[in-house]
Amino acid sequence: QKEVEQNSGPLSVPEGAIASLNCTYSDRVSQSFFWYRQYSGKSPELIMSIYSNGDKEDGRFTAQLNKASQYVSLLIRDSQPSDSATYLCAVPYSSASKIIFGSGTRLSIRP
Amino acid sequence: EPEVTQTPSHQVTQMGQEVILRCVPISNHLYFYWYRQILGQKVEFLVSFYNNEISEKSEIFDDQFSVERPDGSNFTLKIRSTKLEDSAMYFCASVQRVTDTQYFGPGTRLTVL
Repeated sequence: QKEVEQNSGPLSVPEGAIASLNCTYSDRVSQSFFWYRQYSGKSPELIMSIYSNGDKEDGRFTAQLNKASQYVSLLIRDSQPSDSATYLCAVPYSSASKIIFGSGTRLSIRP
Repeated sequence: EPEVTQTPSHQVTQMGQEVILRCVPISNHLYFYWYRQILGQKVEFLVSFYNNEISEKSEIFDDQFSVERPDGSNFTLKIRSTKLEDSAMYFCASVQRVTDTQYFGPGTRLTVL
């Protein structure tokens, strides 16, 4: 059974601080990893993808991947109230690339 | 920028009724997916579709579910006899190549009474 695990939160971070979100996955052969943001009642919105070990930065977001530890994380710098959402870690599996999602971490940015 | 669209945004139905949820994938995309999300739970894969046939389906996707691409633009999910537990958000996604990132439509909220 392919699994993607996240802490459900809520994670409360003061505005302007760094939010750190973590995810582990079960399948060692996974090659692609995604972070989606989901506002309540809305569809998942892709914010980062990462394929290689190390860090990938895009604006205020940094994804970090450690394949040996089967661990992927997302850092959000200078957190804003608009970052308050549920963050979904997602890993595609199978030749048809179905995505397995984690249960999501609810992030709350407090002013 | 092209987007995946879905209709209706909200569907209310009685238990036992048939529903059809519609998706218009991005025009040059070849792979299509349905996912669902029960309120408060994780997003779950239902089915993938390529070249006019199902590529893969989950355990959730039983005989009550079917998909088709009737006219080369729409991609539909049919639930033949809805149950209370089918109440969820249903998301469609499409990609041009199977290795591409999946982008999701806005979803259809299905409420079964």
